[in-house]
Amino acid sequence: LAKTTQPISMDSYEGQEVNITCSHNNIATNDYITWYQQFPSQGPRFIIQGYKTKVTNEVASLFIPADRKSSTLSLPRVSLSDTAVYYCLSGGYNKLIFGAGTRLAVHP
Amino acid sequence: DADVTQTPRNRITKTGKRIMLECSQTKGHDRMYWYRQDPGLGLRLIYYSFDVKDINKGEISDGYSVSRQAQAKFSLSLESAIPNQTALYFCATSEGEGYEQYFGPGTRLTVT
Repeated sequence: LAKTTQPISMDSYEGQEVNITCSHNNIATNDYITWYQQFPSQGPRFIIQGYKTKVTNEVASLFIPADRKSSTLSLPRVSLSDTAVYYCLSGGYNKLIFGAGTRLAVHP
Repeated sequence: DADVTQTPRNRITKTGKRIMLECSQTKGHDRMYWYRQDPGLGLRLIYYSFDVKDINKGEISDGYSVSRQAQAKFSLSLESAIPNQTALYFCATSEGEGYEQYFGPGTRLTVT
C-alpha cells in the first residue's frame, strides 16, 4: 500500500535553513514528488516539484536521492511568515498520496 | 477574482440530509479534484475528473458522488450525510498530469 510519511512537527528560528524529509517507499517509476504549503483557512499552495536529483526555484530546493524513496524540502533562511503546514505529495495519473503534513513553527 | 471558488464556505447540516458542495474554476483546466482534509490525516482524494466525460473514484469515495456539469464546474454530493463526514473539503484543478494543482479556499462541513 502506497504511503507517504513525514514528521508531524518541526521548530526553527528566523534565518535558519529548514529541511523537511518525506518518505515514499512505494513510489512508482512514473510518480513525481510535489510539496505544498498551507496556511490556516486557506487551500494548499504549490511550492516545488521534482522527479529525481535536485530542483531549485525562488523559494525552495527539493532533493531526491537516486532510489527516490524519500525527498527533502529545503527552505533557506526561514522567516516568521514561513510558519505553516507543509505537505509532501507523491503520485501521478490516478494515484495521489498526500502525507499527513509537517507543522513548521518559526520563532523569532 | 479567485481562480478556484467553492460554495458554501461553511455549512452545518443534520445527519441524513443531502448536501452539495460546488466548485468553479476560471483557469481553463480539464482536471478537477475533490479532497477531504482531517486533522492528522492530511488530504485524501475523494473523486477526480480528467474531463467532462471522465470521472474516477479516489481513495475514499464511499458515501460521496460527483457531477462534472461543465469544464469549469465540479460538484460533490453527500447523499445522506453522517457525522464522520465532518471535515474540510477542498476542490483543486490542474492542467494535466505532473502539473501543479490549484486549490480552492475550502468548505468547512459539520454534520450533527
